[in-house]
Amino acid sequence: EAEVAQSPRYKITEKSQAVAFWCDPISGHATLYWYRQILGQGPELLVQFQDESVVDDSQLPKDRFSAERLKGVDSTLKIQPAELGDSAMYLCASSLRAGNYGYTFGSGTRLTVV
Amino acid sequence: GQSLEQPSEVTAVEGAIVQINCTYQTSGFYGLSWYQQHDGGAPTFLSYNGLDGLEETGRFSSFLSRSDSYGYLLLQELQMKDSASYFCAVRGPANSGYSTLTFGKGTMLLVSP
Repeated sequence: EAEVAQSPRYKITEKSQAVAFWCDPISGHATLYWYRQILGQGPELLVQFQDESVVDDSQLPKDRFSAERLKGVDSTLKIQPAELGDSAMYLCASSLRAGNYGYTFGSGTRLTVV
Repeated sequence: GQSLEQPSEVTAVEGAIVQINCTYQTSGFYGLSWYQQHDGGAPTFLSYNGLDGLEETGRFSSFLSRSDSYGYLLLQELQMKDSASYFCAVRGPANSGYSTLTFGKGTMLLVSP
């Protein structure tokens, strides 16, 4: 069964350091999403890509977060500088196209900022 | 924007039936989805309702009433492995015109022997 790959699985970083997460969606999926999930809460959308273009980054804290999907395949989410409040699970998901109701999520990156 | 309400926790015993409710408010509505997430795992898609009525997938069923902005997930013949968090999610218009999923805060289901 096709999977969304994410790395690293866990990341511990010090406050004010830079951190990056990588996601490889299911082959052929045009739409890629980055969600943040705080413990005990539901996932919250950070950014949505359609192919290589950002189509929604309204909830992305752009002063410290950036995301790219240069060739419309894999994607990187970066935080610089990291803050204590960024500690969360960062989930990547993909779907065949925008509006497709069944997202496939990766296992996520658990970030701890100390 | 969108907002969803669901109970924070539900408990039940093995073999029982449990219903997890979800009410939503959204400026545009394209369907209600349900996801399951085991502790530390990825959310996995369970079901989708675009129209009113009941959708059945094995032991799981999902219901939608668009006029009431309400849906539920019904789990039958509960098993210990069903202990997980369950999220309802509405598909609505994003700023860009593309639709996206907004998730509720989740309901933790605890199944006991």
